[in-house]
Amino acid sequence: TQLLEQSPQFLSIQEGENLTVYCNSSSVFSSLQWYRQEPGEGPVLLVTVVTGGEVKKLKRLTFQFGDARKDSSLHITAAQPGDTGLYLCAASRSGGSYIPTFGRGTSLIVHP
Amino acid sequence: GAGVSQTPSNKVTEKGKYVELRCDPISGHTALYWYRQSLGQGPEFLIYFQGTGAADDSGLPNDRFFAVRPEGSVSTLKIQRTERGDSAVYLCASSLGPAQETQYFGPGTRLLVL
Repeated sequence: TQLLEQSPQFLSIQEGENLTVYCNSSSVFSSLQWYRQEPGEGPVLLVTVVTGGEVKKLKRLTFQFGDARKDSSLHITAAQPGDTGLYLCAASRSGGSYIPTFGRGTSLIVHP
Repeated sequence: GAGVSQTPSNKVTEKGKYVELRCDPISGHTALYWYRQSLGQGPEFLIYFQGTGAADDSGLPNDRFFAVRPEGSVSTLKIQRTERGDSAVYLCASSLGPAQETQYFGPGTRLLVL
């Protein structure tokens, strides 16, 4: 069973459009992370959200952690071709060490 | 500075063969992680080292998989009697310490078992 459900699985849009991707779970997390992975590369950490209701912005990317800390969203404004990639959410399994469990990801293609 | 490096970048082998995948973490990072990513999936945890010891190997799928980190730096993931289902991208990541949430990933080794 997938601990983290991501939707949509695929997204193909034109440059300049806005989009939102979602990460949902029935579990409560102390923190949640978003990564972007480009073809042939490993994931790169974009942001970590910790507090329920927290909103973080990274240029045109806005990340929100749900009030109950069970879900998160990533909104991209005016998407650009450089935003193309696989967006992964991840949360720690538990314990003193940080070992993230990843969702399946949302594959985003932004056409020029 | 240098990031996490992995060699080889691609490996093609035949069913039943033995393979070794190498990871060079960022210098000074004590924690090292191995993940496996199948097509259309997110990375799946395999094993985590703190220093030289395997602190958590609960993600290793079976006893054909083994990993070492003898000097607390470079790590090798070893797969015996490879099966076609082992085909995947094997990712390595490192972090400053065990509770550090920022992990730095290498580019991965793409393993294809024919």
